[in-house]
Amino acid sequence: QVQLQQWGAGLLKPSETLSLTCAVYGGSFSGYYWSWIRQPPGKGLEWIGEINHSGSTNYNPSPKSRVTLSVDTSKSQFSLKLSSVTAADSAVYYCSRGFLESGGFAVRRFDYWGQGTRVTVSS
Amino acid sequence: QSVLTQPPSVSEAPGQRVTISCTGSSSNIGAGYDAHWYQQLPGTAPKLLIYDNSNRPSGVPDRFSGSKSGTSASLAITGLQAEDEADYYCQSYDSSLSGYVFGTGTKVTVL
Repeated sequence: QVQLQQWGAGLLKPSETLSLTCAVYGGSFSGYYWSWIRQPPGKGLEWIGEINHSGSTNYNPSPKSRVTLSVDTSKSQFSLKLSSVTAADSAVYYCSRGFLESGGFAVRRFDYWGQGTRVTVSS
Repeated sequence: QSVLTQPPSVSEAPGQRVTISCTGSSSNIGAGYDAHWYQQLPGTAPKLLIYDNSNRPSGVPDRFSGSKSGTSASLAITGLQAEDEADYYCQSYDSSLSGYVFGTGTKVTVL
């Protein structure tokens, strides 16, 4: 059974850098893309970006310029850094595994999720 | 804001049927991209409910079904139960944004 466990700082000041890590237990780490998704309080889900085991990445155009994704295959972990945070970045952040069936219009689905980390940005 | 639009809320009595629409455009669902659905119970992470428009992962009751037509996808819940009270989100890919997009979300209330 695949499990994702995430951790990171939950309280930040404006202009600081958000840093979260997600560890994958069970199943293969390669062969998938690993995503970060966030949910502001009382709002919907927003995909931030994804990375695979070789470090290939895809990002949401916003907030792409502030996002850095990295991977440590030796530990089956991947990480998110979001720089220059503001109150608008306050959200629950989830890590997730993206699974893609073959096919021209196939869309990666998020089949396993971490428990979520609540991040608050406040001065 | 999201490019996939859902009704903010739907409600129905136990045992009844509800449907949730997910309206997109020619750059996502209308282009032929598949849609997935997630259920989010209060205070928990989303759970994959329907994938590739109409398929259920193992363990999801057959009360849940999905379909896609044109620029929209739909989720139906039959035999509504109290435990189905949750937020539901659709998800697809948008070629204009070159990324994955979620619907605005729908809160299902069991009366």
